[in-house]
Amino acid sequence: GAVVSQHPSRVICKSGTSVKIECRSLDFQATTMFWYRQFPKKSLMLMATSNEGSKATYEQGVEKDKFLINHASLTLSTLTVTSAHPEDSSFYICSARDPRGYGYTFGSGTRLTVV
Amino acid sequence: RKEVEQDPGPFNVPEGATVAFNCTYSNSASQSFFWYRQDCRKEPKLLMSVYSSGNEDGRFTAQLNRASQYISLLIRDSKLSDSATYLCVVTQTSGNTPLVFGKGTRLSVIA
Repeated sequence: GAVVSQHPSRVICKSGTSVKIECRSLDFQATTMFWYRQFPKKSLMLMATSNEGSKATYEQGVEKDKFLINHASLTLSTLTVTSAHPEDSSFYICSARDPRGYGYTFGSGTRLTVV
Repeated sequence: RKEVEQDPGPFNVPEGATVAFNCTYSNSASQSFFWYRQDCRKEPKLLMSVYSSGNEDGRFTAQLNRASQYISLLIRDSKLSDSATYLCVVTQTSGNTPLVFGKGTRLSVIA
């Protein structure tokens, strides 16, 4: 089946710093990667859709200059949280659809804590 | 109105009980339907897809009513290991579109 590797799994950073989260599709080519955020006791909310070789599409209310997405290859998408604030502390998770028919697969998630 | 709405829970049930979760979706263009399971601080994992004809996988039965835009999940003979949050999930087309998640229903199975 499809595998998406996400790291880091956990990160603690200081306010004002930037954090990069990587998602790699290990055994398939992901032309599209979906980035979600989940606050405690809330549902997963789509932040943006990254497309290989083109600009990401952001959901309403998500600042594209704060959450930088790069999808430079068919197997790697990155999300960079810039100038992180404590309210950015959340669970970030990526997902891709395997074109071979294995459905959607998720990375293992990144728990970000900004102090 | 939220796109996918679920019973808020939590559901606290004894081992062996049967429990049912309900979900409604607002987008009539939705084409694919799923139940996912999410354990605390983990990524969601696919439990089962949901089809109009209804489908069963062991102790789990899922039903879809397109006319009512309603999805259900029935768990029979609950196990302690079933304790988790169950997410109702839809997607708009069969193409490469994102999953839309409900808030989830928390289930605790008690010995």
